[in-house]
Amino acid sequence: QQQVKQSPQSLIVQKGGIPIINCAYENTAFDYFPWYQQFPGKGPALLIAIRPDVSEKKEGRFTISFNKSAKQFSLHIMDSQPGDSATYFCAASAQTGANNLFFGTGTRLTVIP
Amino acid sequence: NAGVMQNPRHLVRRRGQEARLRCSPMKGHSHVYWYRQLPEEGLKFMVYLQKENIIDESGMPKERFSAEFPKEGPSILRIQQVVRGDSAAYFCASSPDTRINSPLHFGNGTRLTVT
Repeated sequence: QQQVKQSPQSLIVQKGGIPIINCAYENTAFDYFPWYQQFPGKGPALLIAIRPDVSEKKEGRFTISFNKSAKQFSLHIMDSQPGDSATYFCAASAQTGANNLFFGTGTRLTVIP
Repeated sequence: NAGVMQNPRHLVRRRGQEARLRCSPMKGHSHVYWYRQLPEEGLKFMVYLQKENIIDESGMPKERFSAEFPKEGPSILRIQQVVRGDSAAYFCASSPDTRINSPLHFGNGTRLTVT
């Protein structure tokens, strides 16, 4: 079954808008939550990551919000640009020594100029 | 600044043939992961290897699929007797160690098409 559920499947915003992508998980052993950005024909690239000991993390225009009790986390992109158009994946892993990530199904973001 | 190198980028095989996908991790990385991505889906973990050892193959199909990471040379994902359902993008990732904040670096993938 899908360990990490991601929504929406696709998202279209105007330039300058703030797209929000949401993810939810069930496994309470997860303690590392990265977001990856993937452009067509390329591999995923790490964008930003959060641990459950903080509720928010910002890096540039990208912000992760984390709600441990609800087992949900989300990505916000401030002042979105056409160059942000890509597929975004949330993921989660547990500190078991294996480091293998469980990915959401992805959100295809289109930012219209 | 060589990242994770995967080859070939595109591979076409007929049903029943063998597919060999190669992955050279980033310099200094000794941990390799293989993921499969089907169209419109996220990446699914297949196998995690260190040099000469398979650490976790819980995501690998029990038949026809195998992986290795020899002492010398790239990691190889091998698919025997390919079927149409094997058509997907296969991504390799590497990391220097398994600490929780050690990010995975992905290659650009091999797109396998089975005809």
